[in-house]
Amino acid sequence: DAGVIQSPRHEVTEMGQEVTLRCKPISGHDYLFWYRQTMMRGLELLIYFNNNVPIDDSGMPEDRFSAKMPNASFSTLKIQPSEPRDSAVYFCASSLGQGMGSYEQYFGPGTRLTVT
Amino acid sequence: AQKVTQAQTEISVVEKEDVTLDCVYETRDTTYYLFWYKQPPSGELVFLIRRNSFDEQNEISGRYSWNFQKSTSSFNFTITASQVVDSAVYFCALSHNNAGNMLTFGGGTRLMVKP
Repeated sequence: DAGVIQSPRHEVTEMGQEVTLRCKPISGHDYLFWYRQTMMRGLELLIYFNNNVPIDDSGMPEDRFSAKMPNASFSTLKIQPSEPRDSAVYFCASSLGQGMGSYEQYFGPGTRLTVT
Repeated sequence: AQKVTQAQTEISVVEKEDVTLDCVYETRDTTYYLFWYKQPPSGELVFLIRRNSFDEQNEISGRYSWNFQKSTSSFNFTITASQVVDSAVYFCALSHNNAGNMLTFGGGTRLMVKP
């Protein structure tokens, strides 16, 4: 398997622009997670999906952030409008998970976002 | 509330030394899972190990070993005979079994192994 795929790997944009990050989870995984990593706050969970349905978005910082998962093999995280404080590395991860089991998450390579 | 504490923010050792990375967690769940991830300079997060709360046996994988002690809520990671390639940031994480597979990460420990 190719692992979790994220695009783009790097994104530089100007404040106020819309940014869309993309993720393809590992085939067969039914959980998908979006994280943000910054020096100040470390790794933060933004939102996660189970079987394409958003389960918990309490980590989404504000209304400028939105995430969708239209099918089992694709998810997007959108920031509109972007601000300099959104600069971070955004990771997508996927995992198997069923019943009482809790399975390891496999991470994509991340998207390094810089908002100027 | 779930919490993971990695008190060592940075550790520096010389190659071939043994090093232990500490992890202390807090949870009210009776069933939970603990994880270690490695983040090398290239930036990706690599899964190393998962441990469930019912299994306190220590685990060894090559030069890596993990010591899980429920009595002290600790899940420490030891690298034996460290190598330069072990230089990375290591994260300990705790799952919220009652909330799907959400992970709470510790702040990470940066390990620098010098030749």
